[in-house]
Amino acid sequence: EIVLTQSPATLSLSPGERATLSCRASQSVSSYLAWYQQKPGQAPRLLIYDASNRATGIPARFSGSGSGTDFTLTISSLEPEDFAVYYCQQRSNWPLPTFGPGTKVDIK
Amino acid sequence: QVQLQESGPGLVKPSQTLSLTCTVSGGSISSGDYYWSWIRQPPGKGLEWIGYIYYSGSTYYNPSLKSRVTISVDTSKNQFSLKLSSVTAADTAVYYCARGVSDYVPHFDYWGQGTLVTVSS
Repeated sequence: EIVLTQSPATLSLSPGERATLSCRASQSVSSYLAWYQQKPGQAPRLLIYDASNRATGIPARFSGSGSGTDFTLTISSLEPEDFAVYYCQQRSNWPLPTFGPGTKVDIK
Repeated sequence: QVQLQESGPGLVKPSQTLSLTCTVSGGSISSGDYYWSWIRQPPGKGLEWIGYIYYSGSTYYNPSLKSRVTISVDTSKNQFSLKLSSVTAADTAVYYCARGVSDYVPHFDYWGQGTLVTVSS
């Protein structure tokens, strides 16, 4: 099983600041990595797939990068609605998708 | 716009079988290369993939749950279902159905709102 670790566990920032979230895989997942946003009481929402492709309707302030074992989700300028928990997910290990433990972005 | 909606009991007794159904609207469950999936999230914790059924009918399960899980599809009702047997308190979670998409292991582009299932006597 491929294990994903995310850092930091919590990121405290102010609106307008840049957020940089990290996801590291225990072995290479190529570019098979997705990012999700989850707000309290809601289902996760797909933001980024295959490391750097924005899902439909996702604002351009969200961007993803990386390959192999190290990946980054960047939010260029935080909007009030971006404060949430972010999960990464690998889809490299057939048939078992796994998720990271999440990074909470909260208001400083 | 594809929509998914979970339904089923919110309370299940220990050792019994948890049964949930996901109704898909806005598209046919039997068209396209999709993985119709179940994912769960214990309160305050992260996401765990349970399993999925491919549009062809093939099923794939998380090895950690495989002995207790069955996923099936009813194309006439545009629904797919989850059964999890011999439940314990550790199975208490919000259960999501989701659509998986890709040419390999999927990522998940549409999700239901989730349903909380509590295992308690």
